[in-house]
Amino acid sequence: DTGVSQNPRHKITKRGQNVTFRCDPISEHNRLYWYRQTLGQGPEFLTYFQNEAQLEKSRLLSDRFSAERPKGSFSTLEIQRTEQGDSAMYLCASSPLPDGFSYNEQFFGPGTRLTVL
Amino acid sequence: GDSVTQMEGPVTLSEEAFLTINCTYTATGYPSLFWYVQYPGEGLQLLLKATKADDKGSNKGFEATYRKETTSFHLEKGSVQVSDSAVYFCALSSANAGKSTFGDGTTLTVKP
Repeated sequence: DTGVSQNPRHKITKRGQNVTFRCDPISEHNRLYWYRQTLGQGPEFLTYFQNEAQLEKSRLLSDRFSAERPKGSFSTLEIQRTEQGDSAMYLCASSPLPDGFSYNEQFFGPGTRLTVL
Repeated sequence: GDSVTQMEGPVTLSEEAFLTINCTYTATGYPSLFWYVQYPGEGLQLLLKATKADDKGSNKGFEATYRKETTSFHLEKGSVQVSDSAVYFCALSSANAGKSTFGDGTTLTVKP
């Protein structure tokens, strides 16, 4: 399967602990995105990378969140000192670079569901 | 900033009924518009897309037309099936921008 993969699929942690999620994008895609989705809402943008460069980060993103994409391949999203409000589905997506009138169609992974107790 | 508003759900229809899910947007410039679908237990996947005014996106019997004058991108299907039961998300992306902006989703349930 050559789609976007995410690990782990589920994570349960206690408040105050740190967690890290991994995303492996489609191999030829230069762009990688992280979103957060809570029940009954659409995906909310967190950050995105073009190759290894982090080009945009949501102003709503707490300093406890950090993301990396070393070597422009897989990406990790770390949440430090987790809070109950961090409980959500964390989605990763990838896309090729836009060209002219490119659509920015994104290919999504299955998500990592985080539960903070 | 950019925003997407979808009709509130859930929507319940009988098989072979006509479907409309309304979507309106606010954006600067000329965004690309998308409908994504999320089947139970699966990730989001692109259903259809349109990149400029009056374009019609279509896939699997679903259609949506990019209406710049009304800033809308309503999803339609003439005859729904039980297998169409899913959550549908309208989204936009400004040309060459990174992120996409999503609506809150509309849950469709089709009963036999």
